[in-house]
Amino acid sequence: KNEVEQSPQNLTAQEGEFITINCSYSVGISALHWLQQHPGGGIVSLFMLSSGKKKHGRLIATINIQEKHSSLHITASHPRDSAVYICAVTASGSRLTFGEGTQLTVNP
Amino acid sequence: ETGVTQSPTHLIKTRGQQVTLRCSSQSGHNTVSWYQQALGQGPQFIFQYYREEENGRGNFPPRFSGLQFPNYSSELNVNALELDDSALYLCASSLDQGGYTFGSGTRLTVV
Repeated sequence: KNEVEQSPQNLTAQEGEFITINCSYSVGISALHWLQQHPGGGIVSLFMLSSGKKKHGRLIATINIQEKHSSLHITASHPRDSAVYICAVTASGSRLTFGEGTQLTVNP
Repeated sequence: ETGVTQSPTHLIKTRGQQVTLRCSSQSGHNTVSWYQQALGQGPQFIFQYYREEENGRGNFPPRFSGLQFPNYSSELNVNALELDDSALYLCASSLDQGGYTFGSGTRLTVV
C-alpha cells in the first residue's frame, strides 16, 4: 500500500462543474502539498498545508490531520484547469512522498 | 526572483553510458531534492542535498549520485544507464523545510 493514495485516478468534468480530488496518507507528516503538473512535466506548487484550509482564487485545499485526509476543490472549473494534480507529503526530513496523481480533464 | 532551472530539457543516451543532469536552485534556497518520474506514475525520491551534504536518499542504486555546489546548484549523475532509467527527472529546491519550487524537468530516454 502506498503511503499516499489519491482518488480518483482520472476525472472528466464539464466546464463550470465543482471538482473534488481526495488524498489519504498513512504516515505522520509535517506538511501536505498539492501540486499541478502540465503535459511536458513542469510542476507548480499550489498549496502547502499543515492544518485547516487555504484558498487561492478558485482553488481550495483542506486537511484533516486526525483523519489523515486532504481534499483539493476547484470551483467553476475551466478547460485550462486540465492537468495532473498530485498530492505529496513531507514526512521524514524534507523529502516529498508523492501520490500517483489525478488526471483532470475539463471539457468546454 | 529566479525559479529552478534544469538542463538539458531532453536527451537521448545509449544503454551503458553515463549522464549528468543539472539544476540551478531558486535564489535563497539551500536544499535541493531530485526525483524520478516514470511515465504515468508519481515522482520517486532519489536524494536530497542540504548545504552541500547528502541529507537523505531513496531506494536508488549507487550508480545514481549527486553533488551540491557552494551556490546550492546541483548535479545528478547516473552511471551505466539502463533502459528503465528512461524517465522525467525533476529537481526541487526549498529553504530548510519550507515550500518547494520545481524545475521543468529533464526528459531522459535510454535506448
